[in-house]
Amino acid sequence: SQQGEEDPQALSIQEGENATMNCSYKTSINNLQWYRQNSGRGLVHLILIRSNEREKHSGRLRVTLDTSKKSSSLLITASRAADTASYFCALGSGNTGKLIFGQGTTLQVKP
Amino acid sequence: GAVVSQHPSWVICKSGTSVKIECRSLDFQATTMFWYRQFPKQSLMLMATSNEGSKATYEQGVEKDKFLINHASLTLSTLTVTSAHPEDSSFYICSARGGTVIFNEQFFGPGTRLTVL
Repeated sequence: SQQGEEDPQALSIQEGENATMNCSYKTSINNLQWYRQNSGRGLVHLILIRSNEREKHSGRLRVTLDTSKKSSSLLITASRAADTASYFCALGSGNTGKLIFGQGTTLQVKP
Repeated sequence: GAVVSQHPSWVICKSGTSVKIECRSLDFQATTMFWYRQFPKQSLMLMATSNEGSKATYEQGVEKDKFLINHASLTLSTLTVTSAHPEDSSFYICSARGGTVIFNEQFFGPGTRLTVL
């Protein structure tokens, strides 16, 4: 399957803790993106990491990419209740602009 | 950032009718738009890629005659679900990219929830 596989499928933590989500894939990519989706809403773009990059930061978010292992991780530090959402990785490859989404991780942050 | 809108945000229709969903890029020209569908608690599944002025490219398993896509201008793409049935009930999301974007950054609309009775 071209789809990214994410784990865990669901994660429940206390506010202030860190949350780590992983995405593994099988195809070659030229970039990998992470999105957040609140229940019943559209997607919010979080971060894009290119295939020649290994790590990127954006505020409380840290994304790593290991192309040799074909995996990426998203770390949210000092989580907040407002971080409760589903998180998806999306694989970008080729020149068409198509994105193939992973199954997602549902994160619940308890206040 | 770039803004993409969808209309309507939700629609309820009777089985057998057709429904049109609009996707607009509000502050940029979208050379390419994408249509996804999402079932409850599942991921987004790409349905088709739409390039302005040309025919859409559909993903395997997506019926072209059932899901008509038109990308008539650089700011508007429409998805028409023809002869809708209850199994077509889903959350439909569009995204758009344009300009000189190199690394596939897409901007997503807020989605349209379709319920077919």
